[in-house]
Amino acid sequence: DTGVSQDPRHKITKRGQNVTFRCDPISEHNRLYWYRQTLGQGPEFLTYFQNEAQLEKSRLLSDRFSAERPKGSFSTLEIQRTEQGDSAMYLCASSPGRYLKPTHSYEQYFGPGTRLTVT
Amino acid sequence: AQSVTQLDSQVPVFEEAPVELRCNYSSSVSVYLFWYVQYPNQGLQLLLKYLSGSTLVKGINGFEAEFNKSQTSFHLRKPSVHISDTAEYFCAVSGLGQGGSEKLVFGKGTKLTVNP
Repeated sequence: DTGVSQDPRHKITKRGQNVTFRCDPISEHNRLYWYRQTLGQGPEFLTYFQNEAQLEKSRLLSDRFSAERPKGSFSTLEIQRTEQGDSAMYLCASSPGRYLKPTHSYEQYFGPGTRLTVT
Repeated sequence: AQSVTQLDSQVPVFEEAPVELRCNYSSSVSVYLFWYVQYPNQGLQLLLKYLSGSTLVKGINGFEAEFNKSQTSFHLRKPSVHISDTAEYFCAVSGLGQGGSEKLVFGKGTKLTVNP
């Protein structure tokens, strides 16, 4: 169990550029979540995948944001035409789901995050 | 919908003193409750969780929390803190019986600073 990994750890980009982040969940975890954390705040939910299906999106996820999990394993989060307000820590988490591990299905395991700075 | 209020944004304490970090929640459905810890420039690590059963739950690093349904609280405690406990602590809830994502709703966090 190698934990959730995220790449890159840090990204500095200029306003208007596109950026893409990757998340590799714990193997066999069928649930994957993206959260955004701004300075001084707790993480806020962005979107959720069960296997390859994106089943829920927050209203925080504007049209400039898109997320995929093409084979039900790793996921990518893309932000198009970045704005300064997109500067934040983007966190990925995975969980086993109730069928795989019923007693731990509600536990989410977080990666180290990708810190995005838009200049 | 759920919401979480962490009543103290910063808590300074001396080493070996006891500490309590307060958390209140609101929800129209039953919830699972969690405390996470975040060290600088790192992700979140689960400290403990309440799912059902005993209202006093024990977690890692000597932390414990008590679920109080009537007061809708889930306060985190440690009888004697160490310098290494300096970090930010987040309380979170997940709504039950709604199916779907079971996403976590977090409070704004409490920054615990342990001084020598």
